[in-house]
Amino acid sequence: DGGITQSPKYLFRKEGQNVTLSCEQNLNHDAMYWYRQDPGQGLRLIYYSQIVNDFQKGDIAEGYSVSREKKESFPLTVTSAQKNPTAFYLCASSIFGDRGRRGELFFGEGSRLTVL
Amino acid sequence: AQKITQTQPGMFVQEKEAVTLDCTYDTSDPSYGLFWYKQPSSGEMIFLIYQGSYDQQNATEGRYSLNFQKARKSANLVISASQLGDSAMYFCAMREGFAGNQFYFGTGTSLTVIP
Repeated sequence: DGGITQSPKYLFRKEGQNVTLSCEQNLNHDAMYWYRQDPGQGLRLIYYSQIVNDFQKGDIAEGYSVSREKKESFPLTVTSAQKNPTAFYLCASSIFGDRGRRGELFFGEGSRLTVL
Repeated sequence: AQKITQTQPGMFVQEKEAVTLDCTYDTSDPSYGLFWYKQPSSGEMIFLIYQGSYDQQNATEGRYSLNFQKARKSANLVISASQLGDSAMYFCAMREGFAGNQFYFGTGTSLTVIP
């Protein structure tokens, strides 16, 4: 079945460590996104990518890095520079919308990161 | 200014009743798309319904319908015949320009269906 796979589902990190969250899609979507969700809040955009080898910062990119070497893959690294990384991270993908196409986001199941 | 505003942090509805979740949006772009997502306690985001800014009729998908009032910039979600499985967080979102890069999300409404 087509979809988005995020791993790991749960991750614990010690302060000062970098961690990488995996996101793979087999939907043949061009655009991919990383969002952060904190308790009781909406989604905030970290990074997005429209094509391979190109990506743009979202609203809260500081302390995060990404790569897009393949269309299917968009890993997110949470670096030690991110001061408050404990959160729920969601990866998503979409086609480009137009007047006749929805272009909705398809989401993975999320990765919950806890800093000890 | 907030692009998407959801003013109801929490809502309760009796099973089998209808409920309306409010959403207002702010954009000067004439082309935009509006989306509603459901997030159960497990965390995944489930797409429910879509309304394009040029769509003449309100969108419907099964028990979900979207009350689209363009002049008021509102896109309220109506869930008919509520079921216990409808208990979840609901998020309204907007994409400016149909091929825009960013989706703007509201802060969500927590819906609890009471037996």
